[in-house]
Amino acid sequence: EVQLVESGGGLVKPGGSRRLSCVASGFTFTDAWMTWVRQAPGKGLEWVGHIKSGTASGPTEYAAPVKGRFIISRDDSKNTVYLQMMSLTADDTGVYYCTAAGGWGQGTLVTVSS
Amino acid sequence: DVQMTQSPSTLSASVGDRVTITCRASQSIGKWLAWHQQKPGKAPKVLIYEASNVQSAVPSRFSGSGSGTEFTLTISSLQPDDFATYYCQYHDRYFGPGTIVDIK
Repeated sequence: EVQLVESGGGLVKPGGSRRLSCVASGFTFTDAWMTWVRQAPGKGLEWVGHIKSGTASGPTEYAAPVKGRFIISRDDSKNTVYLQMMSLTADDTGVYYCTAAGGWGQGTLVTVSS
Repeated sequence: DVQMTQSPSTLSASVGDRVTITCRASQSIGKWLAWHQQKPGKAPKVLIYEASNVQSAVPSRFSGSGSGTEFTLTISSLQPDDFATYYCQYHDRYFGPGTIVDIK
């Protein structure tokens, strides 16, 4: 069974940074694209970015609103994918999900507020 | 970037109804389309991948079809557990705006 467990959410001040983690199990992590998706309160799902399989440093792709501020990386030895978020604004507030191999994590809430 | 649209935005239906949701892509995406179901306060769940492949453990009343720029999700006989929001997604990237299926 695919399991994805996110962590690292919390309250962040505008302009601040935060790193989210997602630990995966139940599938061959090294073969999987790992994707981050977010959902602002009361809104739809928004693709954030993904990291393809086969290398720890990419290739990666990002949605326009986060390009240049967010970095996705992976540690195949730990079955973990990371989302490093920088220069955060209120528009980045929401639940952040990790998804891969037909499964979704439970999400972690990031709130950007002073 | 590929733009995804869905219709209708809201669909009111009754238990037992056959329900169809349409997703359109702004350019051809082959069969690289997934459908997800989300209930309030819960994480989404994958229903369909690669346009027509039903995810393991998903009830057989769910089916997907289409290729290129037009895709459909069909629920053959709507059940109480199916009232939710449905999203299409292009290949680990862009989502449609969602279709709310609610009770008529």
